[in-house]
Amino acid sequence: NAGVMQNPRHLVRRRGQEARLRCSPMKGHSHVYWYRQLPEEGLKFMVYLQKENIIDESGMPKERFSAEFPKEGPSILRIQQVVRGDSAAYFCASSQVNTEAFFGQGTRLTVV
Amino acid sequence: GENVEQHPSTLSVQEGDSAVIKCTYSDSASNYFPWYKQELGKRPQLIIDIRSNVGEKKDQRIAVTLNKTAKHFSLHITETQPEDSAVYFCAAVYNNDMRFGAGTRLTVKP
Repeated sequence: NAGVMQNPRHLVRRRGQEARLRCSPMKGHSHVYWYRQLPEEGLKFMVYLQKENIIDESGMPKERFSAEFPKEGPSILRIQQVVRGDSAAYFCASSQVNTEAFFGQGTRLTVV
Repeated sequence: GENVEQHPSTLSVQEGDSAVIKCTYSDSASNYFPWYKQELGKRPQLIIDIRSNVGEKKDQRIAVTLNKTAKHFSLHITETQPEDSAVYFCAAVYNNDMRFGAGTRLTVKP
């Protein structure tokens, strides 16, 4: 079991471009969470998904951000028309039903 | 939604001393409380967890206590070592929805 895999590890985008962050959960895990972390700060909840369903997206900005977790393939966090303020580390975590969550290594997004 | 508050935000202790980090939560339906440790530049990793049907759990130098009535839970690290220096996050989970506290930066001075 390779654990939670995120790619890319580092992503540089120019302002106005799109960023796509991928998260492959651990085998057998059907729940995925995305968090955003600014330097020296905490883990800010963005969205919680199950296969093909968004369960809670209350932490995600209503514009430019979207997330999906299709039946097949990784979960994707998509940021359109990126701005400098989107620069952060984005972590995903996965879990089974009512068990501990495991984190990926994160994607560090830099908007230039 | 669930709101988790964590204190203190920074904590500095001498090697060998104990460290205590406290969290409160708002949703009485939360039933699972994990603690994560994040070292600089790395991913958060689970160090201990507790479920709502248990009041205390211990694993070597780490223990967690839970007071459901008061809706607060605490992490206790005894005999601290320099390698315990990291950021610690508490979380409260209800129905798989996991929310974190803001984190505590623990520094253990040798």
